[in-house]
Amino acid sequence: GNSVTQMEGPVTLSEEAFLTINCTYTATGYPSLFWYVQYPGEGLQLLLKATKADDKGSNKGFEATYRKETTSFHLEKGSVQVSDSAVYFCALRLYSSSASKIIFGSGTRLSIRP
Amino acid sequence: NAGVTQTPKFQVLKTGQSMTLQCAQDMNHNSMYWYRQDPGMGLRLIYYSASEGTTDKGEVPNGYNVSRLNKREFSLRLESAAPSQTSVYFCASSGTSGRAVSSYEQYFGPGTRLTVT
Repeated sequence: GNSVTQMEGPVTLSEEAFLTINCTYTATGYPSLFWYVQYPGEGLQLLLKATKADDKGSNKGFEATYRKETTSFHLEKGSVQVSDSAVYFCALRLYSSSASKIIFGSGTRLSIRP
Repeated sequence: NAGVTQTPKFQVLKTGQSMTLQCAQDMNHNSMYWYRQDPGMGLRLIYYSASEGTTDKGEVPNGYNVSRLNKREFSLRLESAAPSQTSVYFCASSGTSGRAVSSYEQYFGPGTRLTVT
């Protein structure tokens, strides 16, 4: 079946450290891939997306590259800030004629120390 | 422009009680969704509505019913609440059911935290 597996947390880093959160997927067909972020007490927000192989999504200093050969979409940031503390969800969408259904990973909690 | 709104924000129920979670969006989106979020399990789709007048089951529909009241509103009903339904519930909407990439993005409400004792 279709699924998303992401790095278990929590992940704790110091400010200005390099961040990688791993994400791999299993899917039939050619999914679109997403990273969503959830700040404390809020709903999910789209952080970045990629719709085909080798696409790179980027936003707010975060990047992720759609790697079809390794079925991965790892999230990276060169220098994290305290304000990046949140839960990050990797997700995929398969084309459906009926609706934009998305499959989410279990989430990775990120905490940044000043 | 409020986006997606949900009421209530918090609710405590006793086992066997019923309640309806309300969701509304003002973005003229065709599709709407209900998810539940449990620790370590990400978000799981309960029901969705691809367009006004249609609803379909998601991954975990048992114990829930939905109503797409109009294009703006999509409610989730628990007829007889159980402790296993203690969770945070999120409503979301997306633009269209077509192929445009921009329609894929789902916009989420702030959530309803439900506790069933």
